[in-house]
Amino acid sequence: EVQLVESGGGVEQPGRSLRLSCTCSGFTFGDFSMSWVRQAPGKGLELVAFIRNKVYDGTTEYAASVKGRFTISRDDSKDIVYLEMSGLTTEDTAIYYCTRDPYPAGGTYSDYWGQGTLVTVSS
Amino acid sequence: DIVMTQSPDSLAVSLGERATINCRSSQSVLYNSNNKNYLAWYQHKPGQPPRLLISWASTRESGVPDRFGGSGSRTDFTLTISSLQAEDVAVYYCQQYYSFPSFGQGTRVEIK
Repeated sequence: EVQLVESGGGVEQPGRSLRLSCTCSGFTFGDFSMSWVRQAPGKGLELVAFIRNKVYDGTTEYAASVKGRFTISRDDSKDIVYLEMSGLTTEDTAIYYCTRDPYPAGGTYSDYWGQGTLVTVSS
Repeated sequence: DIVMTQSPDSLAVSLGERATINCRSSQSVLYNSNNKNYLAWYQHKPGQPPRLLISWASTRESGVPDRFGGSGSRTDFTLTISSLQAEDVAVYYCQQYYSFPSFGQGTRVEIK
C-alpha cells in the first residue's frame, strides 16, 4: 500500500523558516518524481514544487510564488522528500500535501497524496 | 502560465441526476506529437486529501466509479457525473500539466 506521511508543520513567525518532511512507503521511491501541493484556507490547490527522480538528476521546479524561498529535496536512501521553507509570510499559511507524480520526469499529475500538514505563519 | 477556469463555481443536483462541470484553459493543453490532452480531474472531500479521478482528460483511474467521465480537447473540458450519489458531494478541480501544473479554482457539488 502506497503511503505518504507528512510531518514538520506548525506555527511559525513571518520571516522564519520551517522544514517539512514526507516519509514514503509502499512503492519504489527512487522511480518517481515527488511534489508538494498546498491549499490556503478557503482557497484552491497550488503546486508549490516538484523534484524529478535521479534519472533526471533530481532537478527541481518551483511555483513563482515560492521560487527563491522554498527548496525541495529528496533522500532516496530514506525514501523521504523535504520542503525547506524560508522567508515565510502569512500568504504561506496552508495545508501542505506531499504527492507522488507517476512519471519520473515530473510535472504531471498526482496519483497519491498524503494527509497533509498544516503550516500557520503568524506573529 | 496557463490559467484554468472552471464553471460553475458551485452546483446543486438531485440524487440520481447528472452533474456537469466545465473547465477551460487559457491555451491548448493538447500535445500534438502524442495527441494527448494534459488534463486531470480531482475530487476533494473535507478532511481528506484530494483524490485523482481522471488523467489525460478521459482516462479513469483504477477504482473510480464509471459514473465519472471526462471529455473534451484543447481548451475545453468537462467532468460528468452521470448519476449523482450522496458520496459525490465534494469540490472538484481540473488541473493542466502541459506546462508547470496549475489548477482551476474548484467547483463545489452539493445535493439539491
